[in-house]
Amino acid sequence: TQLLEQSPQFLSIQEGENLTVYCNSSSVFSSLQWYRQEPGEGPVLLVTVVTGGEVKKLKRLTFQFGDARKDSSLHITAAQPGDTGLYLCAGPRHGSSNTGKLIFGQGTTLQVKP
Amino acid sequence: GAVVSQHPSWVICKSGTSVKIECRSLDFQATTMFWYRQFPKQSLMLMATSNEGSKATYEQGVEKDKFLINHASLTLSTLTVTSAHPEDSSFYICSATPWTGDNQPQHFGDGTRLSIL
Repeated sequence: TQLLEQSPQFLSIQEGENLTVYCNSSSVFSSLQWYRQEPGEGPVLLVTVVTGGEVKKLKRLTFQFGDARKDSSLHITAAQPGDTGLYLCAGPRHGSSNTGKLIFGQGTTLQVKP
Repeated sequence: GAVVSQHPSWVICKSGTSVKIECRSLDFQATTMFWYRQFPKQSLMLMATSNEGSKATYEQGVEKDKFLINHASLTLSTLTVTSAHPEDSSFYICSATPWTGDNQPQHFGDGTRLSIL
């Protein structure tokens, strides 16, 4: 069974701290996506990583795709209260070639306290 | 760009009522739309895939007669929860893609909070 496991599931930190969220699988993915979702809203795409070993930066957010394309991480530097939300990793579902179906990790709920 | 509008954003109704949720792609044509269900502080669970002009494909365990999906145009898909009961209360989210492909991002609506009394 294809799974994306995120850790930690819950994280509560003070403003200014750094944090890393992990997304791991035993399966190889052609790409992984990271979304952020705020309460009462739909997820918003942050980044798509495609190449093994790839690193992408989005202001204070750094995304990395593992060399073997089985895992990814999201690192936030100097977290701010506006970073609070549910972070989801997602990847193309195997066996559904070209349909665009995604599987999602369980999500990481981040709370940044001022 | 790539805006998806979902309506209504919140529904409260009595048990036994049927509820229709609309998902519209506002600035692109959506070949495929997806419907998800989400419980509080949990991830998204895919319910069905909706392709314009053809029958929806339902995930295992999702009752197609309970959750009716219609994708009549390239910009509109609807999900009807028929004879809704309290256990159907949830957050329903749609997403759309302009073209199929494994690396294409999905553009999500803002969700519909359904509460059945």
